[in-house]
Amino acid sequence: EAQVTQNPRYLITVTGKKLTVTCSQNMNHEYMSWYRQDPGLGLRQIYYSMNVEVTDKGDVPEGYKVSRKEKRNFPLILESPSPNQTSLYFCASSPRLAGGSSTDTQYFGPGTRLTVL
Amino acid sequence: GQNIDQPTEMTATEGAIVQINCTYQTSGFNGLFWYQQHAGEAPTFLSYNVLDGLEEKGRFSSFLSRSKGYSYLLLKELQMKDSASYLCAPMDSNYQLIWGAGTKLIIKP
Repeated sequence: EAQVTQNPRYLITVTGKKLTVTCSQNMNHEYMSWYRQDPGLGLRQIYYSMNVEVTDKGDVPEGYKVSRKEKRNFPLILESPSPNQTSLYFCASSPRLAGGSSTDTQYFGPGTRLTVL
Repeated sequence: GQNIDQPTEMTATEGAIVQINCTYQTSGFNGLFWYQQHAGEAPTFLSYNVLDGLEEKGRFSSFLSRSKGYSYLLLKELQMKDSASYLCAPMDSNYQLIWGAGTKLIIKP
């Protein structure tokens, strides 16, 4: 089944304890992205990747790191989590970018609900 | 700057029709997406428009006017399962999606 998977789905942690949220897609998509979603706000992009070894900052990159060593995986790393990073996180992938067509459709993972105490 | 404007919340009756409007300002334009998101779940793709006009897909239709920076999503024969948030997301000149906060649609019996 074509899908984007994220782990863990739920995580409660404490301030300063490094964590990684994994994201993997099995659709051979070139483009991958991380978003956070907070009540009353739209999806805000954290980082994105156009292809392997290519990553760029989104709108809210502070406090996050990413890597794209393989096409299928795009982990999100919080080196020193803080309470303001409590949020619902989504990973998404897309077949290609710069097409201006429905193939730019992004497919989302199920989400990771993170609470930082 | 880039901006998306959608109503925060709408209420409609089961079996009726509802239109969700979206106005946008973006740096360049490469099409507009509509997504559906049930509470606590991932957004799922509904429609894509890049040319002016109406795209129909079953009970859902989406309209685009590029000159007006305006789109709407039309939902017909509303069902209780249509209760969700609807996200308007135009794509800018860098092919990045600009996300609105979404419209929460409440369906009443």
